[in-house]
Amino acid sequence: NAGVTQTPKFQVLKTGQSMTLQCAQDMNHEYMSWYRQDPGMGLRLIHYSVGAGITDQGEVPNGYNVSRSTTEDFPLRLLSAAPSQTSVYFCASSASNLRGDTIYFGEGSWLTVV
Amino acid sequence: KNEVEQSPQNLTAQEGEFITINCSYSVGISALHWLQQHPGGGIVSLFMLSSGKKKHGRLIATINIQEKHSSLHITASHPRDSAVYICEAGTASKLTFGTGTRLQVTL
Repeated sequence: NAGVTQTPKFQVLKTGQSMTLQCAQDMNHEYMSWYRQDPGMGLRLIHYSVGAGITDQGEVPNGYNVSRSTTEDFPLRLLSAAPSQTSVYFCASSASNLRGDTIYFGEGSWLTVV
Repeated sequence: KNEVEQSPQNLTAQEGEFITINCSYSVGISALHWLQQHPGGGIVSLFMLSSGKKKHGRLIATINIQEKHSSLHITASHPRDSAVYICEAGTASKLTFGTGTRLQVTL
């Protein structure tokens, strides 16, 4: 049982480039989400999904795109990278969007945009 | 918007000390999570609380839903407890995290 697998772990991008952060879970979880973590700030929600085919915006969605074509996968796309998107990104999943489920996190992706 | 505040922001303790980290939130919720983030970055879930108290080894978490407050206690702290502890107190679909409490336990 791999849990939540997130790739890549480290990435350097040039301004304007696009890339996709991959997130996969093997626990048949309905709820998946992406966060960014910046110094001095809590984890901030970028996008989330409550099931295959359903996505919604979080607190800081601008510049990011997501899709949920399967229960297992929830990729995060940076459309045109900007230095302000330099951050650590975490994918998370839980059994449902209801309160009371354990949250499982990926190991994080360190992204630098130059 | 739910605000989640943790205190203290930074905490240094000597091995063996009893530690308390506090979390307050502004919107009524039905459950709260405590998470631990190690220096390497990985985040693991410690507790999910909806009422009362939970204990796991040397860790104890309490919550008062009416007062919108939770505490995480570490008894007999050890250097391996050094980490950032994060409180999460969001609504059903939108998790809301505190900025974390950085704990350093020294010998």
